[in-house]
Amino acid sequence: DTAVSQTPKYLVTQMGNDKSIKCEQNLGHDTMYWYKQDSKKFLKIMFSYNNKELIINETVPNRFSPKSPDKAHLNLHINSLELGDSAVYFCASTWLQGGTEAFFGQGTRLTVV
Amino acid sequence: DQQVKQNSPSLSVQEGRISILNCDYTNSMFDYFLWYKKYPAEGPTFLISISSIKDKNEDGRFTVFLNKSAKHLSLHIVPSQPGDSAVYFCAASASGNTPLVFGKGTRLSVIA
Repeated sequence: DTAVSQTPKYLVTQMGNDKSIKCEQNLGHDTMYWYKQDSKKFLKIMFSYNNKELIINETVPNRFSPKSPDKAHLNLHINSLELGDSAVYFCASTWLQGGTEAFFGQGTRLTVV
Repeated sequence: DQQVKQNSPSLSVQEGRISILNCDYTNSMFDYFLWYKKYPAEGPTFLISISSIKDKNEDGRFTVFLNKSAKHLSLHIVPSQPGDSAVYFCAASASGNTPLVFGKGTRLSVIA
């Protein structure tokens, strides 16, 4: 019974396409994140949602649009994919109050060709 | 601007010996620190954490030390086991609504 699940695990697509990555958590957490791990292996925060509301949006192109239909789901839609979008994207969830760990999904490896 | 730095990209240790992974941070607002372990093709998994009100936290073979004045923390694994081979990420957050800020990771190889 996976705590944070992402689909798909692998995604290969052509430049210019639009794609979505889905994330669901069954931990009852109120906050969900999207992180990007690029070729340099840094894990960088992209978005943070609390109870379906966007609370943090780092410097991310507006081709990336997160959507949270409810507090257990946070999907990531990417328009007009570019080669530089190739990375591993991780979803995570936690409680908003500081001092708690975040739980991560298995990651989605996106390859844009 | 790296707020959390892991300056050693890799570390090799013999089985049974101690592994020491280091992490430095620059943001004095950080008050909660965590270590995550990551295997290939998996997401990071939480290992151990420490609050800024403590200087040590121990959980089995894993101990995290925090030196606030030096803005430095370290993870000690003793004894090291081959199954500990993974990438270890240091992370930090500030009180309230702040997501974790990660270091670049250190790849630990435990040699049998």
